[in-house]
Amino acid sequence: AQKITQTQPGMFVQEKEAVTLDCTYDTSDPSYGLFWYKQPSSGEMIFLIYQGSYDQQNATEGRYSLNFQKARKSANLVISASQLGDSAMYFCAMRPTNDYKLSFGAGTTVTVRA
Amino acid sequence: NAGVTQTPKFQVLKTGQSMTLQCAQDMNHEYMSWYRQDPGMGLRLIHYSVGAGITDQGEVPNGYNVSRSTTEDFPLRLLSAAPSQTSVYFCASSPDRASGNEQFFGPGTRLTVL
Repeated sequence: AQKITQTQPGMFVQEKEAVTLDCTYDTSDPSYGLFWYKQPSSGEMIFLIYQGSYDQQNATEGRYSLNFQKARKSANLVISASQLGDSAMYFCAMRPTNDYKLSFGAGTTVTVRA
Repeated sequence: NAGVTQTPKFQVLKTGQSMTLQCAQDMNHEYMSWYRQDPGMGLRLIHYSVGAGITDQGEVPNGYNVSRSTTEDFPLRLLSAAPSQTSVYFCASSPDRASGNEQFFGPGTRLTVL
């Protein structure tokens, strides 16, 4: 079984600054994928970024980057140059490569201040 | 493509009533799943299906039934609604288990059981 831990229930960040959202995970699977999703107040789930456990480089997608430290079992999301539209709940999720089932953390609420 | 669609968007039930939450996808995805989202707990997997005619239980299956008669549709049935089933329900789909394939989520159904 997989366990995903997001220890920050809520965070405030100033507009244009960077913010790091923590995610640690526990799994016995040798190969797995890590995902981050954004859930704005409207409720939909928006896929942001993916990191494979065997990927040599940290994933980046525009202003989103994933700080992947395999030995520490952490997959922190970094949002650079925060915008007001980044205010949302952010979920870290993981699934084994040979499985479909996605396990989610409890989420972190980010509020961007002008 | 409409992606993943869910109906209804909102529903209020009385304890003991039954109902079906509809989910459909037009992307020919083989994998479909249902999650429930409760405050502070992230998303938890209820049931999933890896193809037409194949379903299996997730983390919190009690009180719910599913069927997958076609690739497109994956309805979730509440047999006898209970207040503990008050939640937001998300349906999701994914093409296959290939590394990096994220799950696509529907807009969600907000269910209240009185």
